This record gives sequence, C-alpha cells and structure tokens, in this order.
Amino acid sequence: AQSVTQLDSQVPVFEEAPVELRCNYSSSVSVYLFWYVQYPNQGLQLLLKYLSGSTLVKGINGFEAEFNKSQTSFHLRKPSVHISDTAEYFCAVRSSARQLTFGSGTQLTVLP
Amino acid sequence: EAGVTQFPSHSVIEKGQTVTLRCDPISGHDNLYWYRRVMGKEIKFLLHFVKESKQDESGMPNNRFLAERTGGTYSTLKVQPAELEDSGVYFCASSQAALMDEQFFGPGTRLTVL
Repeated sequence: AQSVTQLDSQVPVFEEAPVELRCNYSSSVSVYLFWYVQYPNQGLQLLLKYLSGSTLVKGINGFEAEFNKSQTSFHLRKPSVHISDTAEYFCAVRSSARQLTFGSGTQLTVLP
Repeated sequence: EAGVTQFPSHSVIEKGQTVTLRCDPISGHDNLYWYRRVMGKEIKFLLHFVKESKQDESGMPNNRFLAERTGGTYSTLKVQPAELEDSGVYFCASSQAALMDEQFFGPGTRLTVL
C-alpha cells in the first residue's frame, strides 16, 4: 500500500516570494511521483513528474521538485511566485499499477 | 484537440435518487479512470477501464456505484440510490496505452446529495 502526505493544507505567500510545498510518501515498492495543479473550475493539470534519472525535476510555469529517496519526499518549489499561481496543488504517486494515489492537497494563495 | 469533458458540471439530488455522470475521454485514449474527492479529503481512485473492459475496480465504494464504458468510448458512472456520503467531486481522466503516459483530467462533476 502507498500513501501521500501533504503537510500544509494552506500556504499563503506574497507575490515574488519563494515557496515550497511539502510532500512525503510511503510505499513498499518503487514509485513514480507527480505534482498536479488545479485552477478554479478546471481539471487537474500535470506540473511535473519524476520517473527515474535526475532527482531534480523541472516542470511548467517555473516549478521544480526534488526527489529525495532517503527522506521519501518530493517537495515542490518555485523561486518567485505570481498571483496567477494561486491554485490547489496535489502530490501523487503511482507504482506499477496505473492508478494515482493523491495527497489531500495544498491551497497556495499568492498575496499582492 | 478537445480535452476530457464531463457532464454535468454540477448535480444536486436528494437522498435515494439516481444520478448518472458522464465522461468523454480524449479521442484515442484507451485508458479511462474515475476518481472522487470527498470534501476536504484526498482524491481517491475508483476504477480503471482499458477500452471497454474494467481493469481495476478496487476503489469502488459499494454496489450502489455502477460504471460502464460501452464501445470503449465515453463512460458513465451511475449512483443508485444516492446517499449523503456520496457527495463530492467526481473526476474522470484518460491516458494513452503506454504505462507512463500522462493522465489528462476533466474538470469534474460536483455532486451534492441532500
């Protein structure tokens, strides 16, 4: 069985400040890791994914994440956020099975 | 290219009634998934179709839920009879054939059972 913990349900941050959204997972097998974003009234959109190789993964809209196997973490970062980054962010894992296991989500609110 | 579409966007029904949700995947996507998010909680997997066959329905909560994908195109998810705890947002996603192909999500159907 696998699970995902997103440690912060709400993250307020001022525009142009850096942000880190935390994600920890547990799994007895190797996993693939994902971050999705949901803007209001839209579906989930893939931000980035880690399948193998370099542990630093770059995604869309200037986001990046680092896979840390020893700490079972996959934290999402952006060096400077914009108002348009306000959305809910979901960390997810999958193993050889196709379905995704999601965390409970982090609402990022960027303040002017 | 059209994305994954879901209908309706919102549905409000009374306990005991029946509701049918529809998902149209991206054309050519063999894999179709249903997920559900109960308010404030994580998004949970319900089931997975490969073409018209149910590949994995381990997440279906009980036998009040029935999913179909006739002809391997669109899918429906019927809840009969609906209970209060069925309220939430139901997401559909689709992907191509390869194992690591991205899942593309629809906007979801918000179901409220009163």
